[in-house]
Amino acid sequence: AQSVTQLGSHVSVSEGALVLLRCNYSSSVPPYLFWYVQYPNQGLQLLLKYTTGATLVKGINGFEAEFKKSETSFHLTKPSAHMSDAAEYFCAVSSLSNFGNEKLTFGTGTRLTIIP
Amino acid sequence: ETGVTQTPRHLVMGMTNKKSLKCEQHLGHNAMYWYKQSAKKPLELMFVYNFKEQTENNSVPSRFSPECPNSSHLFLHLHTLQPEDSALYLCASSLMTSGGFSSYNEQFFGPGTRLTVL
Repeated sequence: AQSVTQLGSHVSVSEGALVLLRCNYSSSVPPYLFWYVQYPNQGLQLLLKYTTGATLVKGINGFEAEFKKSETSFHLTKPSAHMSDAAEYFCAVSSLSNFGNEKLTFGTGTRLTIIP
Repeated sequence: ETGVTQTPRHLVMGMTNKKSLKCEQHLGHNAMYWYKQSAKKPLELMFVYNFKEQTENNSVPSRFSPECPNSSHLFLHLHTLQPEDSALYLCASSLMTSGGFSSYNEQFFGPGTRLTVL
């Protein structure tokens, strides 16, 4: 079965500092991996995804993530944090459910706070 | 309207009430999903509909009853809920294509309905 672990339920960084949100996964098949962001009172929005090919994936708003198979990791980074990055971030892995549907398994989320 | 919309955005109900949540997608997708988001827990997939057919029910209690009259609309009918059912209920849609696992497409989420059961 697939699972996702996000280390750190809360992360605080100063404006302009590096953002690093950690995600480790377990999967019995080559995984598809995703990062979603949720702003207050909104639904989830896709930041980026890894399916196949290049292991460094660039997403919206200056975020990127690197798929490292040997470490079973898919950490999210941004070189310079902006106040507008304050939100909750979810890592997810896709798989086939018992019913044959492609489904997402989510981590518990990391709340990112930006310090002015 | 664009994307995925959900109504109402907030709902407070007693345990004996009957209410419905509505989701509508304007993206031409053919698959729709209900998720439950509770504090400090991962998102839980509740139901999946492909081409209006329910293809997944993740052991959801019968007090939650989904309905998908067409590929653009999805409802979640609620009755005799419990306080622990209070959560954010998210609807999502995607384009399911043939080809199995390699054809995964992004799920687009609505803003959710914040449900409080008293």
